[in-house]
Amino acid sequence: NAGVTQTPKFQVLKTGQSMTLQCAQDMNHNSMYWYRQDPGMGLRLIYYSASEGTTDKGEVPNGYNVSRLNKREFSLRLESAAPSQTSVYFCASSSPGLGNEQFFGPGTRLTVL
Amino acid sequence: GIQVEQSPPDLILQEGANSTLRCNFSDSVNNLQWFHQNPWGQLINLFYIPSGTKQNGRLSATTVATERYSLLYISSSQTTDSGVYFCAGGLNTGNQFYFGTGTSLTVIP
Repeated sequence: NAGVTQTPKFQVLKTGQSMTLQCAQDMNHNSMYWYRQDPGMGLRLIYYSASEGTTDKGEVPNGYNVSRLNKREFSLRLESAAPSQTSVYFCASSSPGLGNEQFFGPGTRLTVL
Repeated sequence: GIQVEQSPPDLILQEGANSTLRCNFSDSVNNLQWFHQNPWGQLINLFYIPSGTKQNGRLSATTVATERYSLLYISSSQTTDSGVYFCAGGLNTGNQFYFGTGTSLTVIP
């Protein structure tokens, strides 16, 4: 089991460029999440998907869109990147049948110039 | 949203010492986890502990749900314990999950 995988690991964008961060899990979890972590802070929830076909806003959704492509995959899109979106992005998954414990991917370090 | 307060924010220990980290929640949660973020940025699950006490080797955790706090105990600390410890909690899977700002632990030989 690979667990939760994320691509790419690193990315540098110019202001105004767009990109999609990919996340996949092989644990058959129902729920998936996208977080961002800024220096010296904890993680903040951007969007989540409680189950396939549903998505909801988290604490900091502005400037992002998500797609729950299927049960395994949950992508995060930046349509027009801004320097304020420079951060480390983490994807996570969980399932109520497994006690709701969240499992995290390795993260994507994004820099917007 | 739910506010999560962690203390202390920073901690320096001599190898072999014990420590207690605390996490307070502003409201009730029924999901609660402790994580260790290593120096490479990886988030490692330590405990899923919405209530009660669990132990895993030198680490143990206790959550008192009725009083909205959780404690993480590290005994006989090692240099590999260095990093940032986060607690996080929320209500039910698929909903909001709130992180504290972490406790940065440095263990010196």
